[in-house]
Amino acid sequence: AQSVAQPEDQVNVAEGNPLTVKCTYSVSGNPYLFWYVQYPNRGLQFLLKYITGDNLVKGSYGFEAEFNKSQTSFHLKKPSALVSDSALYFCAVRGGGADGLTFGKGTHLIIQP
Amino acid sequence: DAMVIQNPRYQVTQFGKPVTLSCSQTLNHNVMYWYQQKSSQAPKLLFHYYDKDFNNEADTPDNFQSRRPNTSFCFLDIRSPGLGDAAMYLCATSREKLYQETQYFGPGTRLLVL
Repeated sequence: AQSVAQPEDQVNVAEGNPLTVKCTYSVSGNPYLFWYVQYPNRGLQFLLKYITGDNLVKGSYGFEAEFNKSQTSFHLKKPSALVSDSALYFCAVRGGGADGLTFGKGTHLIIQP
Repeated sequence: DAMVIQNPRYQVTQFGKPVTLSCSQTLNHNVMYWYQQKSSQAPKLLFHYYDKDFNNEADTPDNFQSRRPNTSFCFLDIRSPGLGDAAMYLCATSREKLYQETQYFGPGTRLLVL
């Protein structure tokens, strides 16, 4: 069965600094990886995905993610954090015969002014 | 704008009283999903429809049912809600069932069971 690990419950970053939210995955076959963001009492907003090709994927709001097959990781990054980036971030994987997305537990990102 | 709409945004029901949550989409997507997200947890797939074909997850309780009368609408029925069913319910759509397809989520319905 597929799984996703987000090892940090919370990440604190000062505004203007680079940020990284970590994600590792396990799935049989080729991985299809996604990042979503969730604001309080809201649904999930799609940020970016990796299907194949270039290991660096660019997405919405200046976010990007780097796929590393050998480390089975798909870390989310942004060069310069904004206070408005503060939210709950979910990494998800699709594959292995599952019909839906398998999510990690989420990481609270807090950007301090 | 094309989107996934969920109504109501907040629903309060009584223990054991049937409740229906609604989802509609203007994306004309073939697949509609229902996820359950309990407090401080990751969303978990309950079931999905590919067109009219219903697919239930193995561990989804029988208490949860779904209907899709047409392409645009999908309903989640909870026949006898228990306190443990209090959660955010997220509807999502995708164009096809292929792994690479993006799932687009609605804003969710937060269910409270008294």
